[in-house]
Amino acid sequence: AQRVTQPEKLLSVFKGAPVELKCNYSYSGSPELFWYVQYSRQRLQLLLRHISRESIKGFTADLNKGETSFHLKKPFAQEEDSAMYYCALNSGGSNYKLTFGKGTLLTVNP
Amino acid sequence: DAGVIQSPRHEVTEMGQEVTLRCKPISGHNSLFWYRQTMMRGLELLIYFNNNVPIDDSGMPEDRFSAKMPNASFSTLKIQPSEPRDSAVYFCASRVTGGGYTFGSGTRLTVV
Repeated sequence: AQRVTQPEKLLSVFKGAPVELKCNYSYSGSPELFWYVQYSRQRLQLLLRHISRESIKGFTADLNKGETSFHLKKPFAQEEDSAMYYCALNSGGSNYKLTFGKGTLLTVNP
Repeated sequence: DAGVIQSPRHEVTEMGQEVTLRCKPISGHNSLFWYRQTMMRGLELLIYFNNNVPIDDSGMPEDRFSAKMPNASFSTLKIQPSEPRDSAVYFCASRVTGGGYTFGSGTRLTVV
C-alpha cells in the first residue's frame, strides 16, 4: 500500500542554520514525489516536484530510491520559511492521486 | 485567473444540520479533488473526479458524506447530518492533465 511518512511533527531551528525535513515513502510503482508548503492559514502551494529537480526558495530535495526517501533541505533557514510542509506521493498513476504525509511544522527562530 | 474558489470560507453549524461546501475549479482543469485537513490525521483525500466523473471515493468516511460534480465548473461536498468530529478544514484542488495541483483556500468547518 502507498504511504508517506514524515517522522517529525515539529521542527525548530535558528535562522541561518541548515534544515532538513524528512520524508519516507512506500510505493510499489515508480514514485513521483512532491513537497507542498502551507503558510499560516493559507492554501497549500507546490514547492518542489522531484522530476523537475529544481531549487525553489533555496530548498532542494533528492529522491533516494534505495532509502525510499525524499528529504527536503535548505542550507540556511530564514524566518519566512516558518510553515507547515507536506510531502506527497502520486499514488494514482495516470489518475494522479496525491497521498500526503501528516506534515512537519517548521519554526525558524530569530 | 482567480484560482480555485471555495465557499464559504468559514462555516459554523449545529450538530445534525446539513452542510454544503462548494468549489469552483480553475477553468480548463479536468480533475477535481476534495481533501480534509485535521491536526490528528493531516490531509486525507476524500474523493476525486476526472471529467466530472467520480473516480475514487474510498476516502469518504461515511454515508453521511456525499459529493457531486454536475458540470466542469462546480462541485459540492455535502455532510448530512453533521457531527462535531467532522470539524476540519476542507480543501478543494484541481488540475489539468500534465499539470500540478492548485488548491483553494479551504473551508473551515466547525460543528458544535
